[in-house]
Amino acid sequence: GAVVSQHPSWVICKSGTSVKIECRSLDFQATTMFWYRQFPKQSLMLMATSNEGSKATYEQGVEKDKFLINHASLTLSTLTVTSAHPEDSSFYICSALGQSDYGYTFGSGTRLTVV
Amino acid sequence: GQQLNQSPQSMFIQEGEDVSMNCTSSSIFNTWLWYKQEPGEGPVLLIALYKAGELTSNGRLTAQFGITRKDSFLNISASIPSDVGIYFCAGQPPVDMRFGAGTRLTVKP
Repeated sequence: GAVVSQHPSWVICKSGTSVKIECRSLDFQATTMFWYRQFPKQSLMLMATSNEGSKATYEQGVEKDKFLINHASLTLSTLTVTSAHPEDSSFYICSALGQSDYGYTFGSGTRLTVV
Repeated sequence: GQQLNQSPQSMFIQEGEDVSMNCTSSSIFNTWLWYKQEPGEGPVLLIALYKAGELTSNGRLTAQFGITRKDSFLNISASIPSDVGIYFCAGQPPVDMRFGAGTRLTVKP
């Protein structure tokens, strides 16, 4: 079945630094990838939709200059949290939509802690 | 954007009991999906529904796509301890996906 690999699974960084999270579709080409953020005991909130080779579409309230998304190939999307602050600490999850739209496949998530 | 109302928020049940949870929306969805998330992991797809009225089973799980396309329910029969987790409904309107707030299920042995 479809597998999405997300890396790293957890990261601790200092305030003011940038962190890059990778999302790879391992056995299928993902025309569209989605990035979600999940705070403790809350649901997944869609941050942005990225299509290969074009600019990401950000949800209202999500700063595109702070959360940089790059989807340079059909198997890789990256989310870079720039100038991270403690309030950016969260669980970030990507999902990928392949060319057959039978649901989405999620990565295992990245726990970001900013200290 | 589209709002999904999922209930109940949490459930504490005895092993062997049946469980029912549902999602409603003020908007029509083309697809309803049910996911389970365990701590520190991404959601895993349980059941996907594509047609209004569709009733689909996956082992002890049964889900239905409401006729109005604005609701869906998930039933778990004869619960077991490994059913513990957070269950999310999700709707596709039609491309991106919106999630309900989740139902946290606890199963007591």
